[in-house]
Amino acid sequence: SQTIHQWPATLVQPVGSPLSLECTVEGTSNPNLYWYRQAAGRGLQLLFYSVGIGQISSEVPQNLSASRPQDRQFILSSKKLLLSDSGFYLCAWSVTRYSGTYNEQFFGPGTRLTVL
Amino acid sequence: EDKVVQSPLSLVVHEGDTVTLNCSYEVTNFRSLLWYKQEKKAPTFLFMLTSSGIEKKSGRLSSILDKKELFSILNITATQTGDSAVYLCAVIEGAQKLVFGQGTRLTINP
Repeated sequence: SQTIHQWPATLVQPVGSPLSLECTVEGTSNPNLYWYRQAAGRGLQLLFYSVGIGQISSEVPQNLSASRPQDRQFILSSKKLLLSDSGFYLCAWSVTRYSGTYNEQFFGPGTRLTVL
Repeated sequence: EDKVVQSPLSLVVHEGDTVTLNCSYEVTNFRSLLWYKQEKKAPTFLFMLTSSGIEKKSGRLSSILDKKELFSILNITATQTGDSAVYLCAVIEGAQKLVFGQGTRLTINP
């Protein structure tokens, strides 16, 4: 069965510090991978998605970047955190889309980031 | 701009009541609509709806999609305290991008 891991679970960082959040998926190959942010009391906002190694699509302009160095590894980074980067970050995966097939996404446990 | 709107934003009921949660959407390239339940951490998948008028059912939960009127409902019958959660509606748009609504916070009181 497939599992998705995220770490760390909780992070408190000062403004201006760098960030690296990691997500890995087990039990599947060539998944689509996603990074979402959920601000307090709000829905999930898609930040990045990737359909393959080295392929990153950015959904919103922001202070963050993403990389996919391996098939089942997705990393969210920042060089200098802002206060507004605080939130709950969720990684998700889905089966690679084939023509006419649309698949649900499965979420990792999330990382709660507080920027002070 | 694509958008997904859920209502109500918050709902408090007594155990045993039946609730209906609403989700309306406006997206350019609709593929499917999904419902998730979010308790403390990661959302867990409930249903995916692609065709209009076909009810999906899982225990006390059921959901249906109306692609003409662009909405979906999630019903929960005989609610229990364990149903307390935020329920998220999301639409798959285009190349598997999920556009989420803001969620409905459901509280079930004993």
